[in-house]
Amino acid sequence: QKEVEQDPGPLSVPEGAIVSLNCTYSNSAFQYFMWYRQYSRKGPELLMYTYSSGNKEDGRFTAQVDKSSKYISLFIRDSQPSDSATYLCAMSDLTGGSQGNLIFGKGTKLSVKP
Amino acid sequence: KAGVTQTPRYLIKTRGQQVTLSCSPISGHRSVSWYQQTPGQGLQFLFEYFSETQRNKGNFPGRFSGRQFSNSRSEMNVSTLELGDSALYLCASSLVVGEQYFGPGTRLTVT
Repeated sequence: QKEVEQDPGPLSVPEGAIVSLNCTYSNSAFQYFMWYRQYSRKGPELLMYTYSSGNKEDGRFTAQVDKSSKYISLFIRDSQPSDSATYLCAMSDLTGGSQGNLIFGKGTKLSVKP
Repeated sequence: KAGVTQTPRYLIKTRGQQVTLSCSPISGHRSVSWYQQTPGQGLQFLFEYFSETQRNKGNFPGRFSGRQFSNSRSEMNVSTLELGDSALYLCASSLVVGEQYFGPGTRLTVT
């Protein structure tokens, strides 16, 4: 079993739809959870960062962490064609003061149709 | 504020050669991490440097090495290149725990 599982999609939705992206994980020591967006031929761009459990909202994006179920989600409201990209979840226990060593999901490719 | 920069952006090498990739972090960021991204394995952590010291290392063979300079710029080196080393190599810098900012990557092709 991989440490982080993410449905690769592809996921195709009409413009304006609510998008739900999810990841599950197996390591209960993970405390830091991130969502990245990666456009074709670009580096990943940090969207959301959550520490431990709970929700975090930023504009059209909401990140949720449920540590009891080892499950994290990213919701995109009023999706736009410009949201078309690959979305990667990442997590870490960041022990020993390390700021690196993120474990990534394989990414979900999202396409928002006008 | 300038982002993370990586050079070169594209590189073609022959099996058996070695390669050095360079990364300049965001100003003020002292942590630099390197990742390899391939279609099959996704993004995998290579190593992290902080204040010129390797702080963490992923599960890659010793052919992959790195270093960090006093100005936080970092280089990674791959010796004796193999076909399977073809990948996008990404550098990320960080100021605070949990927030890593990636560069555009160096696309390495090994023939």
